Amino acid sequence: DIQMTQSPSAMSASVGDRVTITCRASQGISNYLAWFQQKPGKVPKRLIYAASSLQSGVPSRFSGSGSGTEFTLTISSLQPEDFATYYCLQHNSYPQLTFGGGTKVEIK
Amino acid sequence: QVQLVQSGAEVKKPGASVKVSCKASGYTFTGYYMHWVRQAPGQGLEWMGWINPNSGGTNYAQKFQGWVTMTRDTSISTAYMELSRLRSDDTAVYYCARDRGGAEIDYWGQGTLVTVSS
Repeated sequence: DIQMTQSPSAMSASVGDRVTITCRASQGISNYLAWFQQKPGKVPKRLIYAASSLQSGVPSRFSGSGSGTEFTLTISSLQPEDFATYYCLQHNSYPQLTFGGGTKVEIK
Repeated sequence: QVQLVQSGAEVKKPGASVKVSCKASGYTFTGYYMHWVRQAPGQGLEWMGWINPNSGGTNYAQKFQGWVTMTRDTSISTAYMELSRLRSDDTAVYYCARDRGGAEIDYWGQGTLVTVSS
């Protein structure tokens, strides 16, 4: 199975900060990576697909990059509604999927 | 509109089995794949497996092979996930999630809390 390691597991940030979350795959997965956002008590919402493509309706302050084994989700200017937990998801071995462990973004 | 409506919360004893249903509406059930994902309290998302509602074909995470069974009933547009030999660490919210193909997951069920306690 492909393992996905996310870092950091939690972070504190202020509104307006630039936030970067990293996801590393245990083997190359090309660009078969998505990013999800989950708020407490809600279902996950996809933000990014194919490593760097923005889901329709998602604010442009979210961006993704990377290929192979290292990927990044960046929030260029953190907004109050962005405080949530973020997960990467690999689907290189589709239909087998693997989620990263999650990164909780909290208010500083 | 697309809806995935899951069955209600369950309380089970260790060693028992649980079967969670996910009723789809608003789209052609056999035209989209279905994943099952679980989330233990305060923990992350864990992929359990996938079913092709058209063929009934399944693919399970290695961890769950031998103790999860995913099925479907196309006549009532419903997918099922059955987990056997429950342990306390199987306490979690279980979600079904629709996949347009290639892991394009666009709709989720509301989640079913399964509590395993003696």
